[in-house]
Amino acid sequence: SQTIHQWPATLVQPVGSPLSLECTVEGTSNPNLYWYRQAAGRGLQLLFYSVGIGQISSEVPQNLSASRPQDRQFILSSKKLLLSDSGFYLCAWSVDSNSPLHFGNGTRLTVT
Amino acid sequence: DQQVKQNSPSLSVQEGRISILNCDYTNSMFDYFLWYKKYPAEGPTFLISISSIKDKNEDGRFTVFLNKSAKHLSLHIVPSQPGDSAVYFCAAMNYGGSQGNLIFGKGTKLSVKP
Repeated sequence: SQTIHQWPATLVQPVGSPLSLECTVEGTSNPNLYWYRQAAGRGLQLLFYSVGIGQISSEVPQNLSASRPQDRQFILSSKKLLLSDSGFYLCAWSVDSNSPLHFGNGTRLTVT
Repeated sequence: DQQVKQNSPSLSVQEGRISILNCDYTNSMFDYFLWYKKYPAEGPTFLISISSIKDKNEDGRFTVFLNKSAKHLSLHIVPSQPGDSAVYFCAAMNYGGSQGNLIFGKGTKLSVKP
């Protein structure tokens, strides 16, 4: 069966520090991969999605970037965190563009 | 502008009764709708979906109704159980497009009281 791993579960980082959140999927090949953010009082906002290695689409301009160095690995990064980057970050995968998303357990990021 | 709206941030229901969660959308291009359920400290899990060629889809205690003319869908849970207490997200997309076009509502927190 397919599983998705996302870590860390919680993270507290100072403003200006770098960020690296990692997500891996097991049990499937060539999945679509996604990074979402849920800010306080808001819905889930798509940040990035990838349909293959090295292919990244960005949905919103921001302080973050994403990379997909391997088929089942998706990384969310920032060189310098802002206070506004605080939120709940979710990685997700799907079989294809028309299949439901399967989410990881998320990372609660607090930028202080 | 919110394309998918869940106007009730919270809902409280007695165990055994029906829970009705509502969702409205504005984009007439949406033709595939999904509900996700989220427990605290966990990612959302897929619950049920419906395409615009149907007006009802049922899976056990969960039924989703779609009213295309009103651009409205609802999730019915019957009977409600305490384990159903969670945040429910409505999501919509244009089927055949990229999942990058999946738009989520802000969620409704359901509390089922024993």
